[in-house]
Amino acid sequence: DADVTQTPRNRITKTGKRIMLECSQTKGHDRMYWYRQDPGLGLQLIYYSFDVKDINKGEISDGYSVSRQAQAKFSLSLESAIPNQTALYFCATSDHKYTGELFFGEGSRLTVL
Amino acid sequence: QKEVEQDPGPLSVPEGAIVSLNCTYSNSAFQYFMWYRQYSRKGPELLMYTYSSGNKEDGRFTAQVDKSSKYISLFIRDSQPSDSATYLCAIHGGSYIPTFGRGTSLIVHP
Repeated sequence: DADVTQTPRNRITKTGKRIMLECSQTKGHDRMYWYRQDPGLGLQLIYYSFDVKDINKGEISDGYSVSRQAQAKFSLSLESAIPNQTALYFCATSDHKYTGELFFGEGSRLTVL
Repeated sequence: QKEVEQDPGPLSVPEGAIVSLNCTYSNSAFQYFMWYRQYSRKGPELLMYTYSSGNKEDGRFTAQVDKSSKYISLFIRDSQPSDSATYLCAIHGGSYIPTFGRGTSLIVHP
């Protein structure tokens, strides 16, 4: 089983719908992240959490919200999806304060029609 | 201007070639330099990590950092078709939250 698991892996939805992407990890890491990847744009940070009580906005948080339900679970929500939120979303974890190495899930591909 | 600039390519080379991948950055506070490799339909995985200027070698891969020029490189010797992937540079300072380049798509053809 993967150390960082994302569900769903693929989702097609319509404009205006609420969508939740879930992430769970078995690595025991405190830090969790949500990134968005668009072709040619690299990885953009949406939200990050350094522990259960800590939530921080990243560079592109507008239109998104998150919930850190437990150390191992970090969910990303789109309250009212729009087409330009069509992208590949990655959850990541880290515990190496010195290097900042991130461990990524396999991604959730979201299409908003 | 993005804090980390990286040419998206694609870069196409024949098997056995030496590949050079590069990033430039603007924030002189950056101290930690990483290269991630991402295969199609997969999440990125850390390939190389360096701290401060200089070279670091791991098998066919060499990471190079020139802090005076704010320039980092990844060299791949004897490139193989299995090296075909997107390579992302990632850089951070003391926050441990990396800023990623756009990624360079590499294609190594037999």
